Parts: sequence; C-alpha cells; structure tokens
Amino acid sequence: SQTIHQWPATLVQPVGSPLSLECTVEGTSNPNLYWYRQAAGRGLQLLFYSVGIGQISSEVPQNLSASRPQDRQFILSSKKLLLSDSGFYLCAWSLDEQYFGPGTRLTVT
Amino acid sequence: QKEVEQNSGPLSVPEGAIASLNCTYSDRGSQSFFWYRQYSGKSPELIMFIYSNGDKEDGRFTAQLNKASQYVSLLIRDSQPSDSATYLCAASSGGSYIPTFGRGTSLIVHP
Repeated sequence: SQTIHQWPATLVQPVGSPLSLECTVEGTSNPNLYWYRQAAGRGLQLLFYSVGIGQISSEVPQNLSASRPQDRQFILSSKKLLLSDSGFYLCAWSLDEQYFGPGTRLTVT
Repeated sequence: QKEVEQNSGPLSVPEGAIASLNCTYSDRGSQSFFWYRQYSGKSPELIMFIYSNGDKEDGRFTAQLNKASQYVSLLIRDSQPSDSATYLCAASSGGSYIPTFGRGTSLIVHP
C-alpha cells in the first residue's frame, strides 16, 4: 500500500530564516506530487505541483520554491520566511485520487 | 474560473441522524468528485470518490452525483460524534492533475 511522509510535523522559525520541508511517497511510482498551504480557517491553496522528476509548476508566485530531485521526493523551500508564510503545509500525491500527507504546521515569528 | 461551492456551516445534527452535505461545481467538464474529512488540526482524509451519475455507497457513507445539476452530496447515516469534522468537496476535470476544492462544511454531531 502507498504511504506518504512529511517532516517535520511542527516548526517554529523566525522571520527571514530559510525553510526546507520534505515529503516522500512509498509504494507507488511516478506519482503526481503537490504542495498546498492551509491558513487558519481558510481553504486549501495549491502552491506547486509536479508530474515528474524536475518538472515543477507554480500556482502562486511568492518567496517559496519547490524541487523534485527523485521520483517520490518533493521538497518545499524558502530562502527568507515572511510572517505570512505561517500555515499548515500539506504534501499530496495522486495517480487518480489525491491523498494527503500528515502535514507540517509552520509558525513564523 | 473553476469553483466548488459548499455551505461553511456548521451543520449540527443529533447522534443517529442522517447528515447531508452538499456541494455544487461550476465546471461542466468535471468528471471526478471527491469527499475528504478533515479533523481539526489534521490533514484531509479521502473518504469517498464518485465518477458516475447516481449513488455510491460505502458503509455509512453515500455519495450522490447529479451532473445535469452540477451537484454532489454526501450522506452520513447513523451519525456519530466521531463524524464531527470539516468535510471538503473536490472536483477534477478529465485530464487535469489538479482538483478544485471547496472550502469545506463543518459538521457537528451532538450526543
């Protein structure tokens, strides 16, 4: 069966610090991968998606970036965090239906 | 602009009752429809998906799709307090990798 991992589960970072969130999927090959952000009381905002290694599409221009160095690995990064980057970051994978990882709760102080 | 609309609620039902959650979508090309359950502080969990007009049943859950009316619903029979959560509806067009999500309906099942 397929499993999706995200880490860390929670993170508190100061404004201006860098960010790296990692997501890995097990039990499937060549999945579509996604990064979403969910702000408190808000809906899901798609940040990036990838249909293959090295292929990244950005939905929202901002200070975040994503990379897919391996088939089942998806990384979300920032060089300098802003207060507005706080939120619940969700990685997801799909072949047909979309499945979410456990999420990373990021607080920028 | 593709949109999926849900009443934010909260929808409050007594334990043992049927909870009915509704969703409308704007893109007539949508072919796949999904219901997710999200507990407070947790990630969304896929609980139902439906591709064809009509009903699909899985345990206490029934998804209903009416493409002519662009309407999807989720029925939860014998509602339990553990069903209290936010339910997200999503729709996806054929060939699209990206589902469009509604903002969710909060369900409260009270004893």
